Amino acid sequence: GENVEQHPSTLSVQEGDSAVIKCTYSDSASNYFPWYKQELGKGPQLIIDIRSNVGEKKDQRIAVTLNKTAKHFSLHITETQPEDSAVYFCAASNPNSGYALNFGKGTSLLVTP
Amino acid sequence: DAGVIQSPRHEVTEMGQEVTLRCKPISGHDYLFWYRQTMMRGLELLIYFNNNVPIDDSGMPEDRFSAKMPNASFSTLKIQPSEPRDSAVYFCASSPTGGAEALFFGEGSRLTVL
Repeated sequence: GENVEQHPSTLSVQEGDSAVIKCTYSDSASNYFPWYKQELGKGPQLIIDIRSNVGEKKDQRIAVTLNKTAKHFSLHITETQPEDSAVYFCAASNPNSGYALNFGKGTSLLVTP
Repeated sequence: DAGVIQSPRHEVTEMGQEVTLRCKPISGHDYLFWYRQTMMRGLELLIYFNNNVPIDDSGMPEDRFSAKMPNASFSTLKIQPSEPRDSAVYFCASSPTGGAEALFFGEGSRLTVL
């Protein structure tokens, strides 16, 4: 089945700096790659997603890039703010597995003022 | 819309007791998922339904776990008998279209088995 690896597990940045989280996946048939943000005591919330026919997608301060050849994708957060502090999860899915999402283990991001 | 609603938010029980977790998906969503979250294993898919029919239950850890979806607006996850290693946060999520597009998660049910 699909295996999603996520790095780093923890990340601390100063307010205003950029943060980058990287994920790799194993199944070349995977074609959908969402990112979720989970705040303390809450469920994960979708923040951005990308499909395999696109190399990059941006939404204000967040962007995701996808390298299908290398089977990795990354989340970029620019001009970080304290409210960006949360756990971020990447995920991958493919039609061969019924589109069930396989999640990475998460990255705990801390943005210090 | 109220979002995905889960109950109870917190449950503390003793080993051997039956536990029932409940979920109300977003109206109109055809897919419903149950996930379990632990520090060690992260987010694991337990089972998911399409139009109330279980599609893949390969993630259900043991026969002690069972899930039902009697109608489009309600699902349950039952653990009987519960064990301390079942302690985790259980999330329900629903999706409007395909099984991997825009999952909407509930706030979770934190289960502690003593």
